[in-house]
Amino acid sequence: ETGVTQSPTHLIKTRGQQVTLRCSSQSGHNTVSWYQQALGQGPQFIFQYYREEENGRGNFPPRFSGLQFPNYSSELNVNALELDDSALYLCASSPRGGTQYFGPGTRLLVL
Amino acid sequence: GENVEQHPSTLSVQEGDSAVIKCTYSDSASNYFPWYKQELGKRPQLIIDIRSNVGEKKDQRIAVTLNKTAKHFSLHITETQPEDSAVYFCAATIIQGAQKLVFGQGTRLTINP
Repeated sequence: ETGVTQSPTHLIKTRGQQVTLRCSSQSGHNTVSWYQQALGQGPQFIFQYYREEENGRGNFPPRFSGLQFPNYSSELNVNALELDDSALYLCASSPRGGTQYFGPGTRLLVL
Repeated sequence: GENVEQHPSTLSVQEGDSAVIKCTYSDSASNYFPWYKQELGKRPQLIIDIRSNVGEKKDQRIAVTLNKTAKHFSLHITETQPEDSAVYFCAATIIQGAQKLVFGQGTRLTINP
């Protein structure tokens, strides 16, 4: 198992609400990437954080935002939730430019 | 942008036989190709990776081959075992700046005893 942890494990929200997901990176890793995995699909890149700054973004709207803290942990925030946001949200930590190791994910259900 | 196609979407093999999963990528600048195994309800786990300066890499029963000219790479699992049953994802990225992994659609591998 990797040293990457995520919380919460499961979450149920209703449309229009806001959600915050958390990720603690593996010791020695300074980069955190977030992915959305819809049921039966491969993970899709949302964005990456390196040294507390966004360092690349996929095709996700601005209501998906994030933060990285000095200890390299990270948060993913999603505003104005939509039904299609229901998915498994994975974070992956890595050293800069190195192999990404995934956390267990947060399963979000939007009703 | 990068696009990764993965085939087949499902694969069923007899225990002890070999399994091969193939991926094609579109961006010739991609230079890092990891493979992840995801069991039901669990996190994707890295099983093997290859960089573009290498044509083949092996780790016990698992091997990956890369053909840069054709822009495709393959995962080979020999002497399959029931615990190999899972969904396998290939991915491609450029190791520079934001390492955005672009994943294939996944292959559900079932090993029949």
